[in-house]
Amino acid sequence: ETGVTQTPRHLVMGMTNKKSLKCEQHLGHNAMYWYKQSAKKPLELMFVYSLEERVENNSVPSRFSPECPNSSHLFLHLHTLQPEDSALYLCASSQEVGDGTEAFFGQGTRLTVV
Amino acid sequence: QKEVEQNSGPLSVPEGAIASLNCTYSDRGSQSFFWYRQYSGKSPELIMFIYSNGDKEDGRFTAQLNKASQYVSLLIRDSQPSDSATYLCAVNGGYQKVTFGTGTKLQVIP
Repeated sequence: ETGVTQTPRHLVMGMTNKKSLKCEQHLGHNAMYWYKQSAKKPLELMFVYSLEERVENNSVPSRFSPECPNSSHLFLHLHTLQPEDSALYLCASSQEVGDGTEAFFGQGTRLTVV
Repeated sequence: QKEVEQNSGPLSVPEGAIASLNCTYSDRGSQSFFWYRQYSGKSPELIMFIYSNGDKEDGRFTAQLNKASQYVSLLIRDSQPSDSATYLCAVNGGYQKVTFGTGTKLQVIP
């Protein structure tokens, strides 16, 4: 059982919809991440949070909006997405940002934009 | 140039053989290196990490790092069908900068 839980596991949404992905970690970590995994592409880091403060935004379109209300919870708010945004969205956590320790991943949300 | 490069495979090995997975990286300042295993439809899980040049062994797995050649590999001895998965190489170049490769798909043939 992973210490990082993501909901929902699957999501189908229209291009005009607004939805949110949720991530919760029970590991006492201070850093949380959103990754996008598309077919035949490497994992793409989207956002990095350290103790609820965003420390990295890798040129992600504004239709993706992260929120980190506390060090255990991370959200990704979605609106007016495009079909090319369909992918597996993975949340991860680690003890600290950039300390070289491993990241623990959630099971991911499989997003399909229609 | 890709920052972390892996052969996408599939790499097919017979059961019981040694599987050799390779990864090269471009950032000479990279400090730590990870191998993740990802089963189809599942999330990545860490199986090995290495920080220093040389070999690191853990059970059937051996990670090898050569910083001069910017090369890291993963050897799986006595490969089992349950090892069939995609193996992701990840490189930590310092603060915030963790870069993943595209992964190598391994198929262990019974």
